[in-house]
Amino acid sequence: RKEVEQDPGPFNVPEGATVAFNCTYSNSASQSFFWYRQDCRKEPKLLMSVYSSGNEDGRFTAQLNRASQYISLLIRDSKLSDSATYLCVVNSVGDDMRFGAGTRLTVKP
Amino acid sequence: DAGVIQSPRHEVTEMGQEVTLRCKPISGHNSLFWYRQTMMRGLELLIYFNNNVPIDDSGMPEDRFSAKMPNASFSTLKIQPSEPRDSAVYFCASQSGNTGELFFGEGSRLTVL
Repeated sequence: RKEVEQDPGPFNVPEGATVAFNCTYSNSASQSFFWYRQDCRKEPKLLMSVYSSGNEDGRFTAQLNRASQYISLLIRDSKLSDSATYLCVVNSVGDDMRFGAGTRLTVKP
Repeated sequence: DAGVIQSPRHEVTEMGQEVTLRCKPISGHNSLFWYRQTMMRGLELLIYFNNNVPIDDSGMPEDRFSAKMPNASFSTLKIQPSEPRDSAVYFCASQSGNTGELFFGEGSRLTVL
């Protein structure tokens, strides 16, 4: 079993739609969780950290479910510019940082 | 701030040749990570350093791969001899001690013919 698993998609949604991604992790001792965004042929960049209580940044909401060992990302009122690959990141053992395979999102007019 | 700097941006080489990829982390960041990204396998963690010391190299594919961090401002990833299956984008990232955020370089795109 992979340490961090994501549905690769692709997700194709119309503008204005709400879309949600999930990511599961295998190490119950993991402490740090993040969502990154990667545009085509670019490096990954931090979208948001994921806190135990859940957190929101504008149209984006991240949640952590420790009991079921997954994190989620919700995008509301999606824009064309949201089209990208979304990667979840979990620290697995110690300070390492492991990425999921990424979920590709395409927002269409 | 300059961000994480990687070189070369692109390299095309022939099978059997030695490849050296370079990384300059953000000043003040104590952790440095090397990743490899391919379509098939996504972003794989190869090795990471804390305070210039290799902590976990279990992701290094085989003995052909080696990484060093001689000081806080420089790291190398070497492949010798290179093989076509090593073709990928290699990313270096340094980590903020305050937030845990990874900052990536623009990557080194390697093609081994």
